Amino acid sequence: KNEVEQSPQNLTAQEGEFITINCSYSVGISALHWLQQHPGGGIVSLFMLSSGKKKHGRLIATINIQEKHSSLHITASHPRDSAVYICAVAGNQFYFGTGTSLTVIP
Amino acid sequence: ETGVTQTPRHLVMGMTNKKSLKCEQHLGHNAMYWYKQSAKKPLELMFVYSLEERVENNSVPSRFSPECPNSSHLFLHLHTLQPEDSALYLCASSQDPGTAKNIQYFGAGTRLSVL
Repeated sequence: KNEVEQSPQNLTAQEGEFITINCSYSVGISALHWLQQHPGGGIVSLFMLSSGKKKHGRLIATINIQEKHSSLHITASHPRDSAVYICAVAGNQFYFGTGTSLTVIP
Repeated sequence: ETGVTQTPRHLVMGMTNKKSLKCEQHLGHNAMYWYKQSAKKPLELMFVYSLEERVENNSVPSRFSPECPNSSHLFLHLHTLQPEDSALYLCASSQDPGTAKNIQYFGAGTRLSVL
């Protein structure tokens, strides 16, 4: 069993929809990262958070340390948001989820 | 552009070949990483270098040999690979090697196919 579980694995949405991707983890952590991987491979860090909530543009990330759960929300989704979103937790080492593949249809 | 450049972007090699992957970071970071990403699997950390010294090696087979000649460059030397080694190899860097508060900046990856 992976230390980091993401759901859903695949997600298709219509442009403009509100999207939620979930991440649950089973290890003690100091921080949680949300990463975005576009087709072609490159990975970009979206958020690093250890408590509460962070917002950047249309993206919002929340974390509940007690429940060991984080969510990534995308408001007013757009086709350019299509990518794989990876949750990673930082404890004594990095643990990665398998990613959520998001496709936003025009 | 993340400040981390990997070459080549694509590589096809036979099982008896020797090749090298290159990574260069322009961010002034002290730590560099090699990751393997296989289909439907989480990213696997292979090697960590801090200030040109290897600090972590996650039981990677000896057919993968890393080299870090300076804090800006990282190589992964490949020899006698197996077809199951086909994957996306990602390089990353961060200010320091500690995990908690360090954002890692990733390169675009090298897509490796072993025939």
